[in-house]
Amino acid sequence: SQQGEEDPQALSIQEGENATMNCSYKTSINNLQWYRQNSGRGLVHLILIRSNEREKHSGRLRVTLDTSKKSSSLLITASRAADTASYFCATDPDSGGGADGLTFGKGTHLIIQP
Amino acid sequence: NAGVMQNPRHLVRRRGQEARLRCSPMKGHSHVYWYRQLPEEGLKFMVYLQKENIIDESGMPKERFSAEFPKEGPSILRIQQVVRGDSAAYFCASSQTGYYQPQHFGDGTRLSIL
Repeated sequence: SQQGEEDPQALSIQEGENATMNCSYKTSINNLQWYRQNSGRGLVHLILIRSNEREKHSGRLRVTLDTSKKSSSLLITASRAADTASYFCATDPDSGGGADGLTFGKGTHLIIQP
Repeated sequence: NAGVMQNPRHLVRRRGQEARLRCSPMKGHSHVYWYRQLPEEGLKFMVYLQKENIIDESGMPKERFSAEFPKEGPSILRIQQVVRGDSAAYFCASSQTGYYQPQHFGDGTRLSIL
């Protein structure tokens, strides 16, 4: 399996409910980022959490990082129809120097039912 | 317009032709990344460039693919002698520095090979 795998692959909830997505990775990282992609569009950066951080908030988003378990979660509270999208976690591996490209998982497709 | 601009949005080529994809990074960004996305998949890193330099091309196929980011003008991803398997969405991202920074994505070029 690849670095940065999201779980579940698909999630359908009612508007107003909370949505939780998980991400697991394999190698040590500098940081982990979450992105959103609407159909036919590019990725939009949501939040970046560094390897020495455990939790981060941005508006209705809450991200946690557990480096001992090599996992992260993204919580979207009070979901809205506009949150319908695919969500990807991306890891910036700690490759010993130099910036490399991000490694993305296959994403979680989130559907918010009105 | 402050965003990453990619053109064309859609490109159709016949097998054996050449495809040129262009990317203008955000203003003030000198780091460019190219990714490829197959349907229902996450993004796969291809190449990372700074002005006039290729920093990491570990994700680039060994043949037919090349990338450049000249001192003046956009970054170009060039695919020679295209085959059906090259059909995908190609995304460009840019960042201000190459370290620990979120990447800003364009809306991609959808390449279709007939």
